[in-house]
Amino acid sequence: EAQVTQNPRYLITVTGKKLTVTCSQNMNHEYMSWYRQDPGLGLRQIYYSMNVEVTDKGDVPEGYKVSRKEKRNFPLILESPSPNQTSLYFCASSPGTVVHSEAFFGQGTRLTVV
Amino acid sequence: DAKTTQPTSMDCAEGRAANLPCNHSTISGNEYVYWYRQIHSQGPQYIIHGLKNNETNEMASLIITEDRKSSTLILPHATLRDTAVYYCIVRVASGATNKLIFGTGTLLAVQP
Repeated sequence: EAQVTQNPRYLITVTGKKLTVTCSQNMNHEYMSWYRQDPGLGLRQIYYSMNVEVTDKGDVPEGYKVSRKEKRNFPLILESPSPNQTSLYFCASSPGTVVHSEAFFGQGTRLTVV
Repeated sequence: DAKTTQPTSMDCAEGRAANLPCNHSTISGNEYVYWYRQIHSQGPQYIIHGLKNNETNEMASLIITEDRKSSTLILPHATLRDTAVYYCIVRVASGATNKLIFGTGTLLAVQP
């Protein structure tokens, strides 16, 4: 089954404690991205990756890092989380070389930073 | 990418057709109309997309006006499980960037 898997689904952490949210896809997609969703602000792109070792900033990259060492994985790293990063996070993937491609989203990670 | 305008919310009776409108009056000739939906805090789910012809798949139909300034997503027989926020997105279909710009969407409430 084609899917994007995020872990963990829920996480409560304290300010400043580094954390990583993993994202893995099994569709051999080139393009992967991270979004955050906040009430009243909708979904906003944090970072994206066109392919292995190719990453770039989205609209709200501050406080986040990503890496793309393998095609299937695209972890989101918060080096020093702060309360304003409390949000619902989604990872997405799509076949970057296909013009009319649909994006597949993970089930989300609800992060709370206290 | 062109901006879209959708009603904030709509109701629909179970078993009836749900017609969700979207205005995109500034759409360019090479921009496609995409529809996604999000069921209560789950990941968004692709529904359908089109350029200028009407499109249909197993989930829905997409009707695009001749001038392409508006479109309607049709769920032919809405069920309670179709209750979700529906996003209309206009974007250039290109491998260079697959970013989706989500607006606020329409909350469709299917009533029993």
